[in-house]
Amino acid sequence: KNEVEQSPQNLTAQEGEFITINCSYSVGISALHWLQQHPGGGIVSLFMLSSGKKKHGRLIATINIQEKHSSLHITASHPRDSAVYICAVWDNDMRFGAGTRLTVKP
Amino acid sequence: SAVISQKPSRDICQRGTSLTIQCQVDSQVTMMFWYRQQPGQSLTLIATANQGSEATYESGFVIDKFPISRPNLTFSTLTVSNMSPEDSSIYLCSVEGTGVHEQYFGPGTRLTVT
Repeated sequence: KNEVEQSPQNLTAQEGEFITINCSYSVGISALHWLQQHPGGGIVSLFMLSSGKKKHGRLIATINIQEKHSSLHITASHPRDSAVYICAVWDNDMRFGAGTRLTVKP
Repeated sequence: SAVISQKPSRDICQRGTSLTIQCQVDSQVTMMFWYRQQPGQSLTLIATANQGSEATYESGFVIDKFPISRPNLTFSTLTVSNMSPEDSSIYLCSVEGTGVHEQYFGPGTRLTVT
């Protein structure tokens, strides 16, 4: 069983929809990252959080340490949000989820 | 934050050849990381490179196959040696940030081995 599980694996949405991507982990962690990977392969760090909630523009990330669960929300989704979103946790090393491929259709 | 560049951005190579990937950071960093992302898979750490010492390789990766150089605090190279089609992947350079557990990623090098 992977230590970092993401759901769903693939997600297709219409422009404007509210999107939620989930991440569950089985190890004790110091921090959790949400990363965005565009088709070219480059990765951008969206959030790093260890508790509570963070917001940046239309993106919101939450984490529940007791439940070992985090969510990434995208409000008013747009086709340019189409990418792979990766959850990664820091436990001595970075451990990565398999990613969620999001496609937002106009 | 750190700005990271990688060269080449992509390449198509023949089986049996080697490719060296360069990673340049706009600030001095102690730790640099090299990751591999095989098609449809999550990232896997190949090795950690500290300046002035031998790279530390993860299980399943060896120096003969993936030699790494770290000549200074802003630069590193990863060589993929004696390539086979199974080496077709995205290779990503990453550096630690100044904050605890911060990490930044380069744009990646997409390698296809034919």
